[in-house]
Amino acid sequence: AQTVTQSQPEMSVQEAETVTLSCTYDTSESDYYLFWYKQPPSRQMILVIRQEAYKQQNATENRFSVNFQKAAKSFSLKISDSQLGDAAMYFCAYRSVLRAGGTSYGKLTFGQGTILTVHP
Amino acid sequence: EAGVAQSPRYKIIEKRQSVAFWCNPISGHATLYWYQQILGQGPKLLIQFQNNGVVDDSQLPKDRFSAERLKGVDSTLKIQPAKLEDSAVYLCASSPRNEQFFGPGTRLTVL
Repeated sequence: AQTVTQSQPEMSVQEAETVTLSCTYDTSESDYYLFWYKQPPSRQMILVIRQEAYKQQNATENRFSVNFQKAAKSFSLKISDSQLGDAAMYFCAYRSVLRAGGTSYGKLTFGQGTILTVHP
Repeated sequence: EAGVAQSPRYKIIEKRQSVAFWCNPISGHATLYWYQQILGQGPKLLIQFQNNGVVDDSQLPKDRFSAERLKGVDSTLKIQPAKLEDSAVYLCASSPRNEQFFGPGTRLTVL
């Protein structure tokens, strides 16, 4: 079974600075997806960024980027120019790729989460 | 595009009572998931539907939890009887293919 580990229960950053959240995972599969989700106090889980394992290029979405190291099974999230609205719980998640009838589906396995605090 | 809808948002019950949660996924999404998120932890999958068929219910406590997806659209998750350890947020998500879209969740408190 796949496992996802986030070793930083809490992180803090000053507004406008950069912070990196760590994530490692364990799998024997070669094809999978990795995600970072943001969960503010409202509980709405919001997708931040996605990485396909077969792509060597690291994904980026505006101020958010990842450092994907497939051999090391590491998937860290970098937030640049941090904003007060970035404060939330961040979850790293793994998804297997199962294909049946042309449809890809698979459950998400989440890490324990990292609480990010942004100081003004 | 309307998001995933869930109701109720909050529910407080006594142990041994029953409770039901409702989820309306995004229109056209074939896959629907129910996750349980205990305070301070990441969500854990309870059950996954593909249209109206169950794909994965390996972590669903079947002696007390049940779920159905009517006509491959709406879904209900039921707990009967509830235990103290069922206190959690129950998240519903739907997916067209690779990305999952989450609802706002239902916070259940069992006293």
